[in-house]
Order: sequence, then C-alpha cells, then structure tokens
Amino acid sequence: GAVVSQHPSWVICKSGTSVKIECRSLDFQATTMFWYRQFPKQSLMLMATSNEGSKATYEQGVEKDKFLINHASLTLSTLTVTSAHPEDSSFYICSAIVWPVGSEQYFGPGTRLTVT
Amino acid sequence: KQEVTQIPAALSVPEGENLVLNCSFTDSAIYNLQWFRQDPGKGLTSLLLIQSSQREQTSGRLNASLDKSSGRSTLYIAASQPGDSATYLCAVLSGGYNKLIFGAGTRLAVHP
Repeated sequence: GAVVSQHPSWVICKSGTSVKIECRSLDFQATTMFWYRQFPKQSLMLMATSNEGSKATYEQGVEKDKFLINHASLTLSTLTVTSAHPEDSSFYICSAIVWPVGSEQYFGPGTRLTVT
Repeated sequence: KQEVTQIPAALSVPEGENLVLNCSFTDSAIYNLQWFRQDPGKGLTSLLLIQSSQREQTSGRLNASLDKSSGRSTLYIAASQPGDSATYLCAVLSGGYNKLIFGAGTRLAVHP
C-alpha cells in the first residue's frame, strides 16, 4: 500500500524558534498533500491543502505567515511553524493523494510538537 | 457546512461483545466515508472506505454501512478484543479539493 512518512516523529523547541516538519510519499507521487493538527482528545482539523508547484490553500483561521507550507516536489511537502509558541504545541499529521477528487488519502504517522 | 458527529464519545465493554459505533453527517453530498483507527500518540490507520455509491464494506471482524440519504454510517465490530482498544474516527469526503471532515471520535476500551 501507499506509504507516507513524517520527520521528525517528535520535536521539542523553545518559544520563538522555528520548526520544520517533513512529509514524504515513499512509493507514489502525491499531487496533493494535506496538513492537519490535532489537540489532545480532539479530532483532526485541516490546516491547509498543498499542491505541488503552487501556493498552499489555508483553511479559515489558520495563519499562513505562521504555518509556512512548501510542496516543492511530488514526494515532499514541508510545514514550518515559525516563531513557535506554547499554544502551537500539538500533533501534526499530513496526508497525501493522487488526484482526482475522491481518491483515498494516505496518512503519515504524525509529528508531536512541544514548545517550551 | 459539513459537520460530522460520532456517538458515543466513549465506550467501555468486556471482551467478546459485539459493538456498534455511530457516525452522522449533515450534508449528504459526499464522495466517500472512511473509518480510521488511532492509537494513543499515533497516526491514523484506515479501516474501511465506503464510496458514496456503496452501502457497506467488510474487513474481517469489521463491517461499515452507509446510508447517504439519512446521513448515517455505523461501524460494527464483532467479538471485540482488548487489542481493539483505540479511538475510532469517522471522516467524510465532501465539497471540492478532497477535504476530509472528521468527527471527534469514539474512544473504545475493551477489557479482558
């Protein structure tokens, strides 16, 4: 089956620093990748949709200048949390698909971010 | 705006029971519905995907049904085992651009 990896699996950083999270599709080319965040005991909330070679589309309420998304190739998307604060501590999960609409999304294992 | 609700929020049962988890959605115009399992601190494992034209899907002890017109899906787990303990998430794909809308999940605990 299709495999999506994330790196790192967990990261601790100090308030005010930036953190980059990578999402890779290992055995397929992903035309579109999605970034979700999940707070403890809550469900996944879509943050943004990332298409290869174009700007990401952010969901309402998500600060695009704080959560920088780059999808430079068909197998890699990155999420950079800039000037991280403790309230950014969360579980970040990516998923990937091969278009068209209705395709199954394949999820990565998630990245636990803790900002101290 | 699509909203997904899961009932119950939590469930604790003895091993061997047959279980039903419920999922409802407000907009019946969906492409598909998917059930996932999430273990604590882990990512998602896809269990079953039902296309909008289908009524049910089965995999081992799991059976998921879909009634699109009424906006409901159920996940049936037969002969539950302690290893089934996890959070089960329901998600619908609707609107454009492949957006998955998730429910809050059902936290299942199966005790020996």
